[in-house]
Amino acid sequence: DAGITQSPRYKITETGRQVTLMCHQTWSHSYMFWYRQDLGHGLRLIYYSAAADITDKGEVPDGYVVSRSKTENFPLTLESATRSQTSVYFCASSTSSYNEQFFGPGTRLTVL
Amino acid sequence: AQRVTQPEKLLSVFKGAPVELKCNYSYSGSPELFWYVQYSRQRLQLLLRHISRESIKGFTADLNKGETSFHLKKPFAQEEDSAMYYCALSGSTGNQFYFGTGTSLTVIP
Repeated sequence: DAGITQSPRYKITETGRQVTLMCHQTWSHSYMFWYRQDLGHGLRLIYYSAAADITDKGEVPDGYVVSRSKTENFPLTLESATRSQTSVYFCASSTSSYNEQFFGPGTRLTVL
Repeated sequence: AQRVTQPEKLLSVFKGAPVELKCNYSYSGSPELFWYVQYSRQRLQLLLRHISRESIKGFTADLNKGETSFHLKKPFAQEEDSAMYYCALSGSTGNQFYFGTGTSLTVIP
């Protein structure tokens, strides 16, 4: 089930480095989302995209940048990683903002 | 402000016992409510949504607008129900999607 994939699955980086997490979906879903999962907070929306070249901030966007030049890809970039960005990151896609979201397997990022 | 509240981080029940996972929300307007589940070593996936009014794997959830609640219930818990459960709310725009902090359910054999 290729559906939605994320890479890398695990990443260790150092404070101040730039890191890009990749997300790819094969369903041609219009909407794509990035979440971070932290203990005590559940999942929090970082950014979402309604279509190619349309992105908008979620609940916790600071320190992150996204782009969406193609419908199937939605990379998330940490421009200068900080320890507080250590988390598990989930990408998701959906046919609309109101429908079921399909989640990727997650990327576990550690910032030292 | 927390939009979706799941008061129980951990919940343990015996097999065959009823189970209820609580979810309360705060949102003005008409949100869409969901329950997502994450089984061990699997992806987060939709369990059910209020608009479909379905029973999935024996689970049901009723939206109570007066109490702003969307509790998940199952009359007889099974061992395979052990998982992390997240209540989620979708608002009227794409950036209004909120998850609760999750409840880890353990069904004791």
